[in-house]
Amino acid sequence: AQSVTQPDARVTVSEGASLQLRCKYSSSVTPYLFWYVQYPRQGLQLLLKYYSGDPVVQGVNGFEAEFSKSNSSFHLRKASVHWSDSAVYFCAVSSYRGSALGRLHFGAGTQLIVIP
Amino acid sequence: EAAVTQSPRSKVAVTGGKVTLSCHQTNNHDYMYWYRQDTGHGLRLIHYSYVADSTEKGDIPDGYKASRPSQENFSLILELASLSQTAVYFCASRQGNTGQLYFGEGSKLTVL
Repeated sequence: AQSVTQPDARVTVSEGASLQLRCKYSSSVTPYLFWYVQYPRQGLQLLLKYYSGDPVVQGVNGFEAEFSKSNSSFHLRKASVHWSDSAVYFCAVSSYRGSALGRLHFGAGTQLIVIP
Repeated sequence: EAAVTQSPRSKVAVTGGKVTLSCHQTNNHDYMYWYRQDTGHGLRLIHYSYVADSTEKGDIPDGYKASRPSQENFSLILELASLSQTAVYFCASRQGNTGQLYFGEGSKLTVL
């Protein structure tokens, strides 16, 4: 079984501050990990993904995430947030391979509010 | 850029009625998915398909049917809509060699 926990339902930060959104996963095998972002009234868009290798992965718009097998975590970070980063962020995991790779398990999401 | 379009974008249905949500992709992707999003929760997989004329059950298939008549089109069918099926439904597509999903903008379904 696999599951994803995003412990923070809402995070509020000031523009220009650094950001960390937390994600913990449970999986019987090393999973594929994803962060998606959902802007208001839009579908989800991929920020970054981790399959293997370097545990720090870079994504779009200055976002990065670090995979930790020992902590079962995949936290999202950004050095300096902009007001346009306000959105809902979802962590997702897939323990499947091949044709079932797109079977993702999503966390409940973290709403990020950036105060100008 | 991947393009996944859903219709209708919003629908109000009556309990016991039939609802069909449609999805069309123009990216030549083999895989298509239907996810459901409830307020305050993450997305959950209902059905998916990796080839035309074939569908697979996801994690919450009860009360839903799916149809993939062609590579481009994937429909979600609620034969007898219920109040508990009020949600936002997202369609997504994927290329076979990558885990990235491309999502549509969602279809908001309200069952009264």
